Amino acid sequence: GQSLEQPSEVTAVEGAIVQINCTYQTSGFYGLSWYQQHDGGAPTFLSYNALDGLEETGRFSSFLSRSDSYGYLLLQELQMKDSASYFCAVRVSGGYQKVTFGTGTKLQVIP
Amino acid sequence: GAVVSQHPSRVICKSGTSVKIECRSLDFQATTMFWYRQFPKQSLMLMATSNEGSKATYEQGVEKDKFLINHASLTLSTLTVTSAHPEDSSFYICSASGGAQFFGPGTRLTVL
Repeated sequence: GQSLEQPSEVTAVEGAIVQINCTYQTSGFYGLSWYQQHDGGAPTFLSYNALDGLEETGRFSSFLSRSDSYGYLLLQELQMKDSASYFCAVRVSGGYQKVTFGTGTKLQVIP
Repeated sequence: GAVVSQHPSRVICKSGTSVKIECRSLDFQATTMFWYRQFPKQSLMLMATSNEGSKATYEQGVEKDKFLINHASLTLSTLTVTSAHPEDSSFYICSASGGAQFFGPGTRLTVL
């Protein structure tokens, strides 16, 4: 099976930078994704890493180290609207490449 | 980006009744669709993988006779919660895979 660990809650100040870590244990690892979910809404895709290194998309960056089974999501220039839950998710190889979600990190951005 | 729709967005039903939730990929063909369930303040839990034209693959602990999945075409998968009970009340989310994976907006089921 798969297991993913994330901090349950993080609080950060508007305009600051925050890093949300994710460690995973899985067989057949294919890639690590990050999703954002606001209360009452469905998850929205943020980024995907299949190879080691940093992927940057605007204010959001995601990092992966396959040897360490570790990744993180970096959010810069935090805005109040970034308050949401953030999930890392592993994609495992196989015919269907199903996605298994981590426990989620609730980010609260304060003024 | 690709769009996945779900219908209905909200449903309230009486205990013992069955509820059908539809998941459609609107602008691409999805050979595989996934059904997730999310309880309040928890993560998304994969229930089953639905493949067009074949039987769904259920995750451990998910009752296949209670959660019926049909993937009759490349753009539609349905999840039927049979004989629903209050503990089935949850947020059900589908995703469709046509390469990348795209999530629907979710269906909030409340069983009275």
